[in-house]
Amino acid sequence: DAGVIQSPRHEVTEMGQEVTLRCKPISGHDYLFWYRQTMMRGLELLIYFNNNVPIDDSGMPEDRFSAKMPNASFSTLKIQPSEPRDSAVYFCACYATLMGTEAFFGQGTRLTVV
Amino acid sequence: AQKVTQAQTEISVVEKEDVTLDCVYETRDTTYYLFWYKQPPSGELVFLIRRNSFDEQNEISGRYSWNFQKSTSSFNFTITASQVVDSAVYFCALKGPMNRDDKIIFGKGTRLHILP
Repeated sequence: DAGVIQSPRHEVTEMGQEVTLRCKPISGHDYLFWYRQTMMRGLELLIYFNNNVPIDDSGMPEDRFSAKMPNASFSTLKIQPSEPRDSAVYFCACYATLMGTEAFFGQGTRLTVV
Repeated sequence: AQKVTQAQTEISVVEKEDVTLDCVYETRDTTYYLFWYKQPPSGELVFLIRRNSFDEQNEISGRYSWNFQKSTSSFNFTITASQVVDSAVYFCALKGPMNRDDKIIFGKGTRLHILP
């Protein structure tokens, strides 16, 4: 398996624009997480899904953030409209209940909002 | 509530020295899981180890070793004979029991500098 695949790797956008981050989890992994990493806050859990269903979105900072998982092999995190304080590295991670509890991370998307 | 504390924000040691990264956790669960991850300068997060709450046996993998002590709620990580390639940010993480609390909570991380 190629591991968790995130795209794009880097995104630079202007304030007010819509940004969509994408994630393809490892096949067969039933949990998917979106994390945000900044120097100030470290790794924050934004939202996670189990079998494509959102379980806990309490970490989503504002209504400007939304996430979907239309099927087991794809998830998106959308920010609309984006703001400079959204600049961070966004990670997607997944794990398979039947194979262990450790999460495997994608390479991350470095988002810069100017 | 669950919490992971990595009190050491940054550590610098000279190559070949041993170094221990501290991790203290808080949980009310009797079943839980602890993890260590490494984030090298390239940015990816690499899984290193998982430890179940019912298994307090220490683990050694090459130059890496982990000391899990439930009595002090600690899960410390020691690198023996450190190398420059060990320079990274190391994260300790905690997860509750399966099918009840599926979130993985991370500490703030410890940035480790190995000086040549």
